[in-house]
Amino acid sequence: AQTVTQSQPEMSVQEAETVTLSCTYDTSENNYYLFWYKQPPSRQMILVIRQEAYKQQNATENRFSVNFQKAAKSFSLKISDSQLGDTAMYFCAFKTGTASKLTFGTGTRLQVTL
Amino acid sequence: DAGVIQSPRHEVTEMGQEVTLRCKPISGHDYLFWYRQTMMRGLELLIYFNNNVPIDDSGMPEDRFSAKMPNASFSTLKIQPSEPRDSAVYFCASRGGNYGYTFGSGTRLTVV
Repeated sequence: AQTVTQSQPEMSVQEAETVTLSCTYDTSENNYYLFWYKQPPSRQMILVIRQEAYKQQNATENRFSVNFQKAAKSFSLKISDSQLGDTAMYFCAFKTGTASKLTFGTGTRLQVTL
Repeated sequence: DAGVIQSPRHEVTEMGQEVTLRCKPISGHDYLFWYRQTMMRGLELLIYFNNNVPIDDSGMPEDRFSAKMPNASFSTLKIQPSEPRDSAVYFCASRGGNYGYTFGSGTRLTVV
């Protein structure tokens, strides 16, 4: 069974600074997909970024980028130039190439402060 | 596209009552998922459908829970009878392609 672990329940960062959220996963599959979702207080689940395991290049979306270390089974999210609107729960999620469902980590609560 | 639409947004009901949650997926998406979110257990997959057919319902907690998808544009999750421990946020999500998951805004259910 696949598992996703987020070891940081809460984090805080000052506005304009950079923060990195950690995620590790466990799988025996070679083909899979990784995601970061953001859940602000409105509770909407918003896709932030995704990564295909077969791609060596780390995904980037504006201020959001990932550090994908396949051998270490690590998938961290870096948020640059943090903004107050980045305050939210962040969930790491995993899907194998053959499965249909997403498996989520327990989440990291990020607080961006002035 | 209006995205995945869930109703109601909030539901408060008394223990023992029947509760029905509704979901309209994105048109053209062939997968539909029901997730439950609680503080204690995080996000759990309850059931998912492919082309309106239930594929995996192993996450449905007990017989009080049932889900249907009568057509490609509508799904329901029903709890009968409801219990206080069912209080949670219930999300519906749909998927088109290999990773186009889109979530609805969720239904916050409170059973008193």
